[in-house]
Amino acid sequence: EPEVTQTPSHQVTQMGQEVILRCVPISNHLYFYWYRQILGQKVEFLVSFYNNEISEKSEIFDDQFSVERPDGSNFTLKIRSTKLEDSAMYFCASSEAGWGGRSNEQFFGPGTRLTVL
Amino acid sequence: GENVEQHPSTLSVQEGDSAVIKCTYSDSASNYFPWYKQELGKRPQLIIDIRSNVGEKKDQRIAVTLNKTAKHFSLHITETQPEDSAVYFCAASIHSGGYQKVTFGTGTKLQVIP
Repeated sequence: EPEVTQTPSHQVTQMGQEVILRCVPISNHLYFYWYRQILGQKVEFLVSFYNNEISEKSEIFDDQFSVERPDGSNFTLKIRSTKLEDSAMYFCASSEAGWGGRSNEQFFGPGTRLTVL
Repeated sequence: GENVEQHPSTLSVQEGDSAVIKCTYSDSASNYFPWYKQELGKRPQLIIDIRSNVGEKKDQRIAVTLNKTAKHFSLHITETQPEDSAVYFCAASIHSGGYQKVTFGTGTKLQVIP
């Protein structure tokens, strides 16, 4: 069964550094999402992306964050200048287009644990 | 924006008993309500979902009910098993033009005692 994949599984960085988290969504999916989960807390929506543009973003997704689909398969989240409070698990998810059947189900990747020192 | 509250935060049941987790939401425009199971260190996985035009949905031992008027929905797990132990998240989503903004609840840590 197709799965969403993410790399790296764990990223350690110094405060102020830029990081890029990578995701490969399921191949026939057209809607892509990033979430974060601080240890022991709930999953928080960051951004949704469709047709090469952001369709929705949360207040967490400020100017330090950006997303990109650089080619036909990858979907990336960039944090320009990391802060200590950016330490969290970052999940990518994807879903099919439309509003029918199970197409609105979001499939999550295994996550990237980001540690900012 | 949407606010989803979830109760209880922890729940312990004996194997074979039922477990009920309740959620409320604030935005009447929310029209899709998924439930996710997250095992320790793993990704959230959808276990059941319900749309706003349906009041109840069942899948084997799992059922979800939705009361749109009261803006609350619940997850029911019957005949619980040790492998049901995990954190369960409810979520409310506004599905518009195909994309979703999903707001998660704070999670319920379910422990099924053998």
